[in-house]
Amino acid sequence: QSVLTQPPSASGTPGQRVTISCSGGSSNIGSNTVHWYHHVPGTAPKLLIYSNNQRPSGAPGRFSGSKSGTSASLVIRGLQSGDEADYYCAAWDDNLNGWVFGGGTKLTVL
Amino acid sequence: QITLKEAGPTLLKPTQTLTLTCTFSGFSLSTSGMGVGWIRQPPGKSLEWLAVIYWDDNKQYSPSLNNRLTLTKDTSKNQVVLKITNVDPVDTATYYCALRRNSGNDWRGWLDPWGQGTLVTVSS
Repeated sequence: QSVLTQPPSASGTPGQRVTISCSGGSSNIGSNTVHWYHHVPGTAPKLLIYSNNQRPSGAPGRFSGSKSGTSASLVIRGLQSGDEADYYCAAWDDNLNGWVFGGGTKLTVL
Repeated sequence: QITLKEAGPTLLKPTQTLTLTCTFSGFSLSTSGMGVGWIRQPPGKSLEWLAVIYWDDNKQYSPSLNNRLTLTKDTSKNQVVLKITNVDPVDTATYYCALRRNSGNDWRGWLDPWGQGTLVTVSS
């Protein structure tokens, strides 16, 4: 069981907006920032959002992140077929003294 | 450009020691604030953080691996080595190394970029 909770799947049609949630606790999301990764199996996970809502250079502007309390969300606007992948949230955990991850959300573009 | 690449055996027997090497370029692990982390992903499962080593040789390990982990760095070779003792089939996973970045507003930091990963299978 992952420390952070994500829905196992999400879907949308091209052009739609999709939201992926990530729920944690006081020792992780509640007191530290949240990061989001895009992962196509067999390749390196890629950073989409760091520090709750910051986009690294190269990450499309269609992706945005937010955090409130012990939960966070990733929003994908203008969904594209190339967005099909697994999405993971991550946060530092003060009890573990390391990063914890969500279980991953498999995004399907219908 | 920052790159990291993992190397290690593809197949191990139970009770053996797994040695993984992360070779990186584009940054120096002797630079203040830098760190390299290890993460693994068992087949069909999520990501699990294992360990991180910092520029000052400070290390943190996941408690769930019960003292089986050892991290070392060789700044002259731009390498970080992770050893996992007494492996078991549950250690079968793709192992990744990644650069730990941070900022003034987020000193815990995040992991980016990641290497492509190396699949390690533990089987008798």
